Amino acid sequence: EIVLTQSPGTLSLSPGESATLSCRASQSITSTYLTWYQQKPGQAPRLLIYGASSRATGIPVRFSGSGSGTDFTLTISRLEPEDFAVYYCQQYGYSPLYTFGQGTKVEIK
Amino acid sequence: QVQLVQSGAEVKKPGASVKVSCKASGYTFTGYHMHWVRQAPGQGLEWMGWINPNSGGTNYVQGFQGRVTMTRDTSINTAYLELSRLKSDDTAVYYCARDPGGDGYNYYYFDYWGPGTLVTVSS
Repeated sequence: EIVLTQSPGTLSLSPGESATLSCRASQSITSTYLTWYQQKPGQAPRLLIYGASSRATGIPVRFSGSGSGTDFTLTISRLEPEDFAVYYCQQYGYSPLYTFGQGTKVEIK
Repeated sequence: QVQLVQSGAEVKKPGASVKVSCKASGYTFTGYHMHWVRQAPGQGLEWMGWINPNSGGTNYVQGFQGRVTMTRDTSINTAYLELSRLKSDDTAVYYCARDPGGDGYNYYYFDYWGPGTLVTVSS
């Protein structure tokens, strides 16, 4: 089973600052199959980035994804108040077919 | 616009079964695989499986084999998740989520999610 480990667990930042979130896979995965979601309290996850670096429809350009192999990064430049949430990475490819990281919470400092 | 509307919260006793529905609108229901993902209180996301609404074919996580059944009713554009022999650790919000692939293809992520259905298992 592929394990996705996200770090840090919590990121305390101020609006306007940049956030760098890490997602590390226990085995190399195909970038095509690495996805990022945002989840706010009481809401369903929202698709942000697919294929490691492609922004979903309507996602602001301040969200960007990068990485390959086992190391992937979600960067949020200039945090807006609505960006404070939990972020999950997800991979497809190994049994179980779809797995998620444990999440990184971006909170207001 | 694409919408996934789920059934309301449920409270069940251990050992019982629950059936959650997910009604799709705004797109061709049979053209896109539907997945189910759950989230225990304060925890992360756990993929459970998917159904091909066109063929009815399914693929379940091994850990749920024998307890989970995913079905669909194409006449009303609705997918269903049934979980049997409920245990307390099945208490979670259950989400349906669409793969944007279309035409039977998979893109291997989820572009639209339902709002979730809270299932509470308690004696």
